[in-house]
Amino acid sequence: DAGVTQSPTHLIKTRGQQVTLRCSPKSGHDTVSWYQQALGQGPQFIFQYYEEEERQRGNFPDRFSGHQFPNYSSELNVNALLLGDSALYLCASSRPSGTRNEQYFGPGTRLTVT
Amino acid sequence: AQKVTQAQTEISVVEKEDVTLDCVYETRDTTYYLFWYKQPPSGELVFLIRRNSFDEQNEISGRYSWNFQKSTSSFNFTITASQVVDSAVYFCALSTGANSKLTFGKGITLSVRP
Repeated sequence: DAGVTQSPTHLIKTRGQQVTLRCSPKSGHDTVSWYQQALGQGPQFIFQYYEEEERQRGNFPDRFSGHQFPNYSSELNVNALLLGDSALYLCASSRPSGTRNEQYFGPGTRLTVT
Repeated sequence: AQKVTQAQTEISVVEKEDVTLDCVYETRDTTYYLFWYKQPPSGELVFLIRRNSFDEQNEISGRYSWNFQKSTSSFNFTITASQVVDSAVYFCALSTGANSKLTFGKGITLSVRP
């Protein structure tokens, strides 16, 4: 049973560029959430996707956008990258509402903006 | 608004010592869920335990135990007979709905010395 997978593992971009991160949820999970974790901090919620729609959103600017596909996989897009966007981006998946709701995390994508 | 406070930042113990990680939370919701996650140096967040606000029974699972007290809004986590492999950053998190976003504390770095 594969867990949550994310790609790529590491990424280096230049300020002003755009980046796309990808996530495949754990088998049987239909909800995907994205978190940003700056060095030495706890993860911060970006947004959550369910049934291909953004269901919840944290306090992040519109430069952060996402998408969920029919197979439940998801993408996180960040436009006009800033130095402050350098962080570990974590994807988490969970089962349908009404069942055990713990979120399972992938290994993350380490984004460095120079 | 939700908030999770982990007042301890770093803890260092010698192998086989017991160690308790503290967590205090704030929420106005009457139904909520509390979690502990472990983040080893590899970066992946590993789910450890989940507790519902309506179930204050404290449990033990192997070397892990937790103490949930609504009266003090605390959800402390204890590792008995610590091992070197327990060295990691531990996060307490709060969710106020099924499949809702997680609000994390800043984490506690636990170092277990041989």
